[in-house]
Amino acid sequence: DAGVIQSPRHEVTEMGQEVTLRCKPISGHNSLFWYRQTMMRGLELLIYFNNNVPIDDSGMPEDRFSAKMPNASFSTLKIQPSEPRDSAVYFCASSLVGPYGYTFGSGTRLTVV
Amino acid sequence: AQSVTQLDSQVPVFEEAPVELRCNYSSSVSVYLFWYVQYPNQGLQLLLKYLSGSTLVKGINGFEAEFNKSQTSFHLRKPSVHISDTAEYFCAPMNYGGSQGNLIFGKGTKLSVKP
Repeated sequence: DAGVIQSPRHEVTEMGQEVTLRCKPISGHNSLFWYRQTMMRGLELLIYFNNNVPIDDSGMPEDRFSAKMPNASFSTLKIQPSEPRDSAVYFCASSLVGPYGYTFGSGTRLTVV
Repeated sequence: AQSVTQLDSQVPVFEEAPVELRCNYSSSVSVYLFWYVQYPNQGLQLLLKYLSGSTLVKGINGFEAEFNKSQTSFHLRKPSVHISDTAEYFCAPMNYGGSQGNLIFGKGTKLSVKP
């Protein structure tokens, strides 16, 4: 298995632009998580899905952030419009529902200038 | 609600010395415990986990952790560290009830191994 695949690995964009981050979970995993990591705030859970359904989006910072999971093998995190304070590493992780650990992707390093 | 405390934000240690990274959690329900490692510019990787059974759990790269229910601790240890162990380590308990359980990540401990 190729693991959790995230794209792009790096993204540099100008303030005000739309940014879309992509994630392909491990085949057969039915939970998917989006995290944001910064030096100041550490790892923050933004949103997670079970069986493609958003369960908890209380970590999404504001309405500029949205996430979708149209099918079991693909999810997107969109920021529109982007702001410099959104600069961070965004991780996607997947797991089976239950007492199992998560498998993380390599992350997308987002820089908003 | 579940919470986790990693008592040390940074731990410097010399190569071949032993190390202990401390983790305490709070929980009133069944808990499962995980340690993750993050090498520079990489994602998080599962190091080891405790679900049930023996309280001493062995993981990858020579790490082990001991579950102590009375002290609500799950400290990570390695008897002799290498330069390559330099990374950030995250303790993550999971409250599991019914069909749902989510990991709660600590703030991390940066282990710096010096030659």
